[in-house]
Amino acid sequence: SQTIHQWPATLVQPVGSPLSLECTVEGTSNPNLYWYRQAAGRGLQLLFYSVGIGQISSEVPQNLSASRPQDRQFILSSKKLLLSDSGFYLCAWSRTPNEQYFGPGTRLTVT
Amino acid sequence: GQQVMQIPQYQHVQEGEDFTTYCNSSTTLSNIQWYKQRPGGHPVFLIQLVKSGEVKKQKRLTFQFGEAKKNSSLHITATQTTDVGTYFCAGPQTGANNLFFGTGTRLTVIP
Repeated sequence: SQTIHQWPATLVQPVGSPLSLECTVEGTSNPNLYWYRQAAGRGLQLLFYSVGIGQISSEVPQNLSASRPQDRQFILSSKKLLLSDSGFYLCAWSRTPNEQYFGPGTRLTVT
Repeated sequence: GQQVMQIPQYQHVQEGEDFTTYCNSSTTLSNIQWYKQRPGGHPVFLIQLVKSGEVKKQKRLTFQFGEAKKNSSLHITATQTTDVGTYFCAGPQTGANNLFFGTGTRLTVIP
């Protein structure tokens, strides 16, 4: 069966510090991978998605970037965090543009 | 641009009452999916509807896809406290490998 991992589960970072969130998928190959951000009590904002190694589509211009160095690894990064980057970051995978399976998420607080 | 709206945004019900959330897309969808996010958790895929006018049931949950494939509904009969959470609908974004999530309906069940 397929499993998706995200870490860390929670993170508190000062403004201006760098960020690296990692997501890995097990049990499938060549998945579509997604990064979402969810503000408290709000909906899901798609940040990036990838259909293959090195292929990244950005949905929202901002100070975040994503990379896919391996087939089942998706990384979300920032060089300098802003207060507005606080939120719940969710990674998801799918085999097609159909049902998506989400990881447990990372709660990021920028102070 | 493509939009997926859900109403209501919030719903409080007494345990045992019924609940319905409605999803409306600005464009025709090839399929509609529903997800549930428990408080503090991540979205979990519930079901996918593909055919015009399709109705599917999962125990006390009934899902419908409109004849024009632009709207959908989720109805819960006799709500229980385990039904608490936010329900999202989602449809494939036109010409892309990702989903367009609705704004969500947050359900609170009062014991």
